[in-house]
Amino acid sequence: EAQVTQNPRYLITVTGKKLTVTCSQNMNHEYMSWYRQDPGLGLRQIYYSMNVEVTDKGDVPEGYKVSRKEKRNFPLILESPSPNQTSLYFCASSFGGVVMNTEAFFGQGTRLTVV
Amino acid sequence: GQQVMQIPQYQHVQEGEDFTTYCNSSTTLSNIQWYKQRPGGHPVFLIQLVKSGEVKKQKRLTFQFGEAKKNSSLHITATQTTDVGTYFCAGQTYSGGGADGLTFGKGTHLIIQP
Repeated sequence: EAQVTQNPRYLITVTGKKLTVTCSQNMNHEYMSWYRQDPGLGLRQIYYSMNVEVTDKGDVPEGYKVSRKEKRNFPLILESPSPNQTSLYFCASSFGGVVMNTEAFFGQGTRLTVV
Repeated sequence: GQQVMQIPQYQHVQEGEDFTTYCNSSTTLSNIQWYKQRPGGHPVFLIQLVKSGEVKKQKRLTFQFGEAKKNSSLHITATQTTDVGTYFCAGQTYSGGGADGLTFGKGTHLIIQP
């Protein structure tokens, strides 16, 4: 079954304690991205990756890191989480390049609370 | 950078009434996509529009892409309780290296009163 898998689904952590949210896709997609969703602000892109070892900043990258060592995985790293990073996070993947069918598949989401 | 504005932010309708949400992009798009997010769920792809002036239908849902490829709309006829959720548009452009990322509108929350 084609899917994007995020873990964990829920996480409560303390300020400053490093954490990683994993994302894995099984569709051989080139393009992967991370979004955060906050009330009234919609989906805002944090980072994206167009292929292995190619990553770039989205609209709200401050306080986050990513890596793309393998095509299927795109972890989101918060080196020193702060309360303003409390949010709902989504990972998404799609085909890149010149392929016209660039439908994005989303993971189930990770609800992060930083206290 | 590219911006996609979506209105309204919230829409309350009585069950059976129609519903429309609108998107406007600051730049000409290569395509526009629509997603639906049920309460507590994740965004799910509905459709992609590519051609200028394109109109597509999915049962009670009608999607339009403007002639200038800068605006789009989603219209739901005779809403049902299963239509509840947030509808997002997402614009995409193509640069020299291929498809750029999706720029999402803020979404329209559809609330249906029985």
